Amino acid sequence: DVKVTQSSRYLVKRTGEKVFLECVQDMDHENMFWYRQDPGLGLRLIYFSYDVKMKEKGDIPEGYSVSREKKERFSLILESASTNQTSMYLCASLSGGSTEAFFGQGTRLTVV
Amino acid sequence: QKEVEQDPGPLSVPEGAIVSLNCTYSNSAFQYFMWYRQYSRKGPELLMYTYSSGNKEDGRFTAQVDKSSKYISLFIRDSQPSDSATYLCALNNAGNMLTFGGGTRLMVKP
Repeated sequence: DVKVTQSSRYLVKRTGEKVFLECVQDMDHENMFWYRQDPGLGLRLIYFSYDVKMKEKGDIPEGYSVSREKKERFSLILESASTNQTSMYLCASLSGGSTEAFFGQGTRLTVV
Repeated sequence: QKEVEQDPGPLSVPEGAIVSLNCTYSNSAFQYFMWYRQYSRKGPELLMYTYSSGNKEDGRFTAQVDKSSKYISLFIRDSQPSDSATYLCALNNAGNMLTFGGGTRLMVKP
């Protein structure tokens, strides 16, 4: 079974803090994604990566950065957390040539 | 206009009803069509995947694609309270990106 694991289910951070969200997949997938999900807005792509050390901006990259030093790990970084970044964050991975994306369980981040 | 439109619901039905969930899309390059189910406070999980127009059945679930109308559907027969979730359609144009609908929240009442 493919497994995508996000480091935290729930996280509460203060405004201005630097926040790291970690995602690990165990199926050697080339492509990894970070989305945020908000009521009424659906899934919005923040960043994606198609290879180690490669990254591409998605639809809403402002306020975020990413790191992919190893194939299995894709990190999302909030440089200076703000209250409008309170959201559900979802990591996904996808094998090259496949169309089936596998998701982690999500991290519900609250910025106070 | 969004690339993929999906009615957000909520859709409330009695147990045993037939449920119809739908998405419309505008990009004719989409070739692969998926339905994900997302329970509350969980990540989405793949429910069904189809390629090309036609029907695909899996137990109580049927996925239908009409490429000429750019319209996809998911039917759930004999709906159960455990089917209560948000259903997201996802489309792919054979690249490494999925385009998601906004999701429809379904509630099946006992």
